[in-house]
Amino acid sequence: ELKVEQNPLFLSMQEGKNYTIYCNYSTTSDRLYWYRQDPGKSLESLFVLLSNGAVKQEGRLMASLDTKARLSTLHITAAVHDLSATYFCAAPNSGNTPLVFGKGTRLSVIA
Amino acid sequence: DTGVSQNPRHKITKRGQNVTFRCDPISEHNRLYWYRQTLGQGPEFLTYFQNEAQLEKSRLLSDRFSAERPKGSFSTLEIQRTEQGDSAMYLCASSGGIAFFGQGTRLTVV
Repeated sequence: ELKVEQNPLFLSMQEGKNYTIYCNYSTTSDRLYWYRQDPGKSLESLFVLLSNGAVKQEGRLMASLDTKARLSTLHITAAVHDLSATYFCAAPNSGNTPLVFGKGTRLSVIA
Repeated sequence: DTGVSQNPRHKITKRGQNVTFRCDPISEHNRLYWYRQTLGQGPEFLTYFQNEAQLEKSRLLSDRFSAERPKGSFSTLEIQRTEQGDSAMYLCASSGGIAFFGQGTRLTVV
């Protein structure tokens, strides 16, 4: 059964700094999702990574996927307060099967 | 708004009562998923449909939980004889390739 692990689970960053969140998954999966969740809100889709070596960037966030290592990273560049949220990675066993989520990384960006 | 829509957004109920939540997916999406999320945790898969067929229901938390998607469009999730441990956010997602989530229904059982 697919397991998804994220680290760190909690991250406190200073504004302007860079950091990386890691997502490991236990069995082969053909895609990897990153979502953002604000307190009390639902999940906002950030990235879908569909192939080995895929890299996607949106603003200060960049996600990458290494299917051989079963690892995805979410890199934050020059953090700003608005990025404070919980970030989840998720993967299906295959195709459109239900997503298995990590526990999330709670990011707090402080001045 | 053409996103995934869930109703109600909030529900407070007394222990022992039945509750039903509704999810309207993005119209062209044939797959619909229900998840539960408790505080500080990631979403936990419950059940899913392809069109009107329920493809997986073994993850429903107990026989008090049931879901339907009678015409392959909207879906309902029912919890019978609610317990305090059922308090959570219930999320619906639909997919035609990429999963999009609704705003969720927050259930509080008192």
